[in-house]
Amino acid sequence: NAGVTQTPKFQVLKTGQSMTLQCAQDMNHNSMYWYRQDPGMGLRLIYYSASEGTTDKGEVPNGYNVSRLNKREFSLRLESAAPSQTSVYFCATSPGQGSSYNSPLHFGNGTRLTVT
Amino acid sequence: AQTVTQSQPEMSVQEAETVTLSCTYDTSENNYYLFWYKQPPSRQMILVIRQEAYKQQNATENRFSVNFQKAAKSFSLKISDSQLGDTAMYFCAFMKLTHYGGATNKLIFGTGTLLAVQP
Repeated sequence: NAGVTQTPKFQVLKTGQSMTLQCAQDMNHNSMYWYRQDPGMGLRLIYYSASEGTTDKGEVPNGYNVSRLNKREFSLRLESAAPSQTSVYFCATSPGQGSSYNSPLHFGNGTRLTVT
Repeated sequence: AQTVTQSQPEMSVQEAETVTLSCTYDTSENNYYLFWYKQPPSRQMILVIRQEAYKQQNATENRFSVNFQKAAKSFSLKISDSQLGDTAMYFCAFMKLTHYGGATNKLIFGTGTLLAVQP
């Protein structure tokens, strides 16, 4: 089935540890996004990739890095995890900037990350 | 910068009744899109309904409809005949257009309203 797949679904880290959240899509979409969701704050954009080979900062990029490995995959890395990065992380895709708005974002099912 | 405000953190409604969720936004743009997303306990984000700012007619999707007031920058969601499966967090979202009118696909979300449908 077409969609956006995030791994892992859950993760617990200790402060200072590093990890990479993986996102893969088989929708042939050009653009990919990483959001974080925190209680009372909605979803906030961390980084996005408008097309393969490009990445840009979103609203809350500090403490994160991203890699657009190819058209299908967009990973989010925490080099030194902090408790403030405890959150639910969502990967999303869209056909690309300038396209029809009919389906603006397709979301993965999220990764719940806890940093102790 | 655009902002989206949902002033109702939580709401409750009886099954089969109607409920309205509020959303206001602030922008200097004239053309943009607005959306409502639903997030059930499964955590999945589901697009419920969308509205183009240039359209005066309010969007409807089955039991879901919006009241779009462009001058007031208001975009409320009405759920008719509420069902238990409507229990979810609902997010209002704003998307501005590119200068040539296409989607930017960068959504700005409100903080969400948690709706509980009671049997």
